[in-house]
Amino acid sequence: EDKVVQSPLSLVVHEGDTVTLNCSYEVTNFRSLLWYKQEKKAPTFLFMLTSSGIEKKSGRLSSILDKKELFSILNITATQTGDSAIYLCAVEKGWDQGGSEKLVFGKGTKLTVNP
Amino acid sequence: SQTIHQWPATLVQPVGSPLSLECTVEGTSNPNLYWYRQAAGRGLQLLFYSVGIGQISSEVPQNLSASRPQDRQFILSSKKLLLSDSGFYLCAWSTSWTVGANVLTFGAGSRLTVL
Repeated sequence: EDKVVQSPLSLVVHEGDTVTLNCSYEVTNFRSLLWYKQEKKAPTFLFMLTSSGIEKKSGRLSSILDKKELFSILNITATQTGDSAIYLCAVEKGWDQGGSEKLVFGKGTKLTVNP
Repeated sequence: SQTIHQWPATLVQPVGSPLSLECTVEGTSNPNLYWYRQAAGRGLQLLFYSVGIGQISSEVPQNLSASRPQDRQFILSSKKLLLSDSGFYLCAWSTSWTVGANVLTFGAGSRLTVL
């Protein structure tokens, strides 16, 4: 059975702290790994990772993928209250015959940044 | 630009009543369309996806059904709601099944409470 496991499930930090969110997976026919941020309603796309060891960066957020150990991390430096959200990890699963089938989501990490 | 509309935003329904959630996408043609459910403390569970008009794939057997009467319209229905149907329902679309390109864009969601 395909699994995407995120840890921790929740995290409370103070503004200025650096946080690391984890995502491990066991998915057949791995294609890519995606990170989403969900504040109140619709999740919004952050990163898509397809290759091991190549860091993707956007401002204070960065992410990297390890396809050998089957995990990814999302780092947020100098956290702000606006970073408070649920961060979702999803793995794109492919068909045996090729092509993309669907995304398998983890339960998410709820991050709370206090002033 | 592409936009996705989903309604109603919230609804409270008694057990045994019918359900209809609607989702439409603008600014693109032949999108892949998805219905996800997010229950409290759980990740996003894929319910249905569609690659074209009248083409519906079901991920989880349940008392819900989906239909795609038009290219950019996706409807989630139930004839008789159960308590366990309560949750946050998200519609999403993507443009391609190619490898590493299945980045979903989500609607604002519909929060369903079944009493």
